[in-house]
Amino acid sequence: ETGVTQSPTHLIKTRGQQVTLRCSSQSGHNTVSWYQQALGQGPQFIFQYYREEENGRGNFPPRFSGLQFPNYSSELNVNALELDDSALYLCASSTAGTRDYNEQFFGPGTRLTVL
Amino acid sequence: GDSVTQMEGPVTLSEEAFLTINCTYTATGYPSLFWYVQYPGEGLQLLLKATKADDKGSNKGFEATYRKETTSFHLEKGSVQVSDSAVYFCALSDPLGKLIFGQGTELSVKP
Repeated sequence: ETGVTQSPTHLIKTRGQQVTLRCSSQSGHNTVSWYQQALGQGPQFIFQYYREEENGRGNFPPRFSGLQFPNYSSELNVNALELDDSALYLCASSTAGTRDYNEQFFGPGTRLTVL
Repeated sequence: GDSVTQMEGPVTLSEEAFLTINCTYTATGYPSLFWYVQYPGEGLQLLLKATKADDKGSNKGFEATYRKETTSFHLEKGSVQVSDSAVYFCALSDPLGKLIFGQGTELSVKP
């Protein structure tokens, strides 16, 4: 069974640029959620994707957007980067429609630094 | 809205000491509750969970009981090891499956 993978591991961007982060869900999982974890804080929910559609969104501006593909992998796109976007971005996968739908498995994260 | 509050860290213990990390929650419904652990430089690993009142989750010597009357889900371990040093996060799951996390408690275990 393959776990959740994310790429890249680290990324450095400058303010105003755009970034795309990628996530492959765990085998058999159909739902992907993205979280932002600032240094020293707990993760904050960005949004969730199920069946290639956004299925809930946290308190993040529209410049945070995402995609889910037919193979359940996902992308997180952030436009017009700001310094406060510097964080660890975590992807989590789960299986909607089952008893364990709310048990999420996390990837190792992508560390984004905005200069 | 729903929220989770954890005791502040860092918590520093000697090896084989007893561990308690307090967690309380506020929720309108009956959420599932989780403890996740994060080792340095890594993502989150699910440590244990409980899905209804009075359930006890347990894993690797850690335990937590879902207490609806006190809205708590305290993490305990009878004898910690150096390898338990990490950041621990309490979380609840809303009906959508969105996880709401506490701020995390750093645990440092000294030999």
